[in-house]
Amino acid sequence: SAVISQKPSRDICQRGTSLTIQCQVDSQVTMMFWYRQQPGQSLTLIATANQGSEATYESGFVIDKFPISRPNLTFSTLTVSNMSPEDSSIYLCSVEDTGAGNTIYFGEGSWLTVV
Amino acid sequence: DAKTTQPNSMESNEEEPVHLPCNHSTISGTDYIHWYRQLPSQGPEYVIHGLTSNVNNRMASLAIAEDRKSSTLILHRATLRDAAVYYCILRGDSGNTPLVFGKGTRLSVIA
Repeated sequence: SAVISQKPSRDICQRGTSLTIQCQVDSQVTMMFWYRQQPGQSLTLIATANQGSEATYESGFVIDKFPISRPNLTFSTLTVSNMSPEDSSIYLCSVEDTGAGNTIYFGEGSWLTVV
Repeated sequence: DAKTTQPNSMESNEEEPVHLPCNHSTISGTDYIHWYRQLPSQGPEYVIHGLTSNVNNRMASLAIAEDRKSSTLILHRATLRDAAVYYCILRGDSGNTPLVFGKGTRLSVIA
């Protein structure tokens, strides 16, 4: 199965700043997804990030607030821009592993607290 | 995406079997039934998936109703480490689509 590393694992951020989360996969994958999990809630899909094309955002999420890069088949970044306390969440990267029957795997998440 | 319905919470005694139900009455013929779990402070973890037949792996068993409108995840012998939120999710057979999470079932295991 694909192994996913996220950085940072945890951070405390100042209101109004931006933070970039990195997602590194140990194998080449086509489909990558970014999720947000607010405190005590389930996971919500932010966007789908495919290499070579712009990310596709879900309703309620916009590129200006959550710009995503996907420079190659093993790496992606999600930036949370102009953060407010409402952005305090866990941000999770996930990938579809076509070598494992299209199973989706998740990173451990990046826990952001905005103060 | 077809919707699933799960109980908000369940409780089990350690070393006893656990049956976690999921209703998906609007499932389409090509939807696979996936189960993931999220342990405290971790990302979701794949557990098992199936289409029509019952499935077994080292983590759990998946029993799928004949009409496919419901399924049950079976943990044969619950341990304290199985305490987690369990998500039942439908996903089309073609892949290339993300998982859409509901609220899941929070399983508590009592020693």
